[in-house]
Amino acid sequence: GQQVMQIPQYQHVQEGEDFTTYCNSSTTLSNIQWYKQRPGGHPVFLIQLVKSGEVKKQKRLTFQFGEAKKNSSLHITATQTTDVGTYFCAAGGGAGSYQLTFGKGTKLSVIP
Amino acid sequence: DAGVIQSPRHEVTEMGQEVTLRCKPISGHNSLFWYRQTMMRGLELLIYFNNNVPIDDSGMPEDRFSAKMPNASFSTLKIQPSEPRDSAVYFCASSPNTGGKHYEQYFGPGTRLTVT
Repeated sequence: GQQVMQIPQYQHVQEGEDFTTYCNSSTTLSNIQWYKQRPGGHPVFLIQLVKSGEVKKQKRLTFQFGEAKKNSSLHITATQTTDVGTYFCAAGGGAGSYQLTFGKGTKLSVIP
Repeated sequence: DAGVIQSPRHEVTEMGQEVTLRCKPISGHNSLFWYRQTMMRGLELLIYFNNNVPIDDSGMPEDRFSAKMPNASFSTLKIQPSEPRDSAVYFCASSPNTGGKHYEQYFGPGTRLTVT
C-alpha cells in the first residue's frame, strides 16, 4: 500500500515562531488530507489537496501539494498555544479506494 | 449533528477476555473506518466498510480481531481473546464518500482499551 513519511516527528517552537511539517511519498498521490489531533483528542480534518501545485490557506495555515503530487507541506505562521497538537498528513487511496494512509504525524509543542 | 459515537470510551479488561467496541457513524455517511492508534505504530487502518460491506480488512492484525456492520448505523469491532499488546486507542471514523471522490473523515472520540 501507499506509505507517507512525515518529518519532523517532533517540533518545539517559541510562541510566535513559524512551523512547518512535511509529508513525502515515493509514489504519486491522488490526493492528500491534513488532520490535527489535540492531546487526548481525536483527529480532526483540516483540508484536502487534489491538484498538482495546489496551495490553500486557512488563516495562519498554508497547505501545499507538490507539482509531482509526491509531497505536501503544512506551514503555520506565528504559532499560538492553541496550535499545540499532532498534525497528520493522510494519502488518499487509488482509484476505487476510499481508504487513507496516515503519516506518523508531527507533534507540535508551543512554548509560551 | 451528534457526530460519530463510540462506546465504551474506556475499557479495562484482563487478558483472554472478549472485548467489543461499538460505533455509530454519522447518518448518511456510507464509509466507515476502524483505526488503532499507539505510540509505536501511529494511526493504523484496521478495516473499512463501504455501504455496510467490508472492502479492505488487510490491516486486521490477526484472527482474534473481527468487525461487522449489520446496518448503516452500527458497527462493532471484536477482539477475542484479548492480549496486552492490543492495548491502544481505537477510533471509528465515517465519511460520505461517493462516486469515487474522496471526502474528509469524521472521527469518533475513541475507545481507550487497556488489557492487563
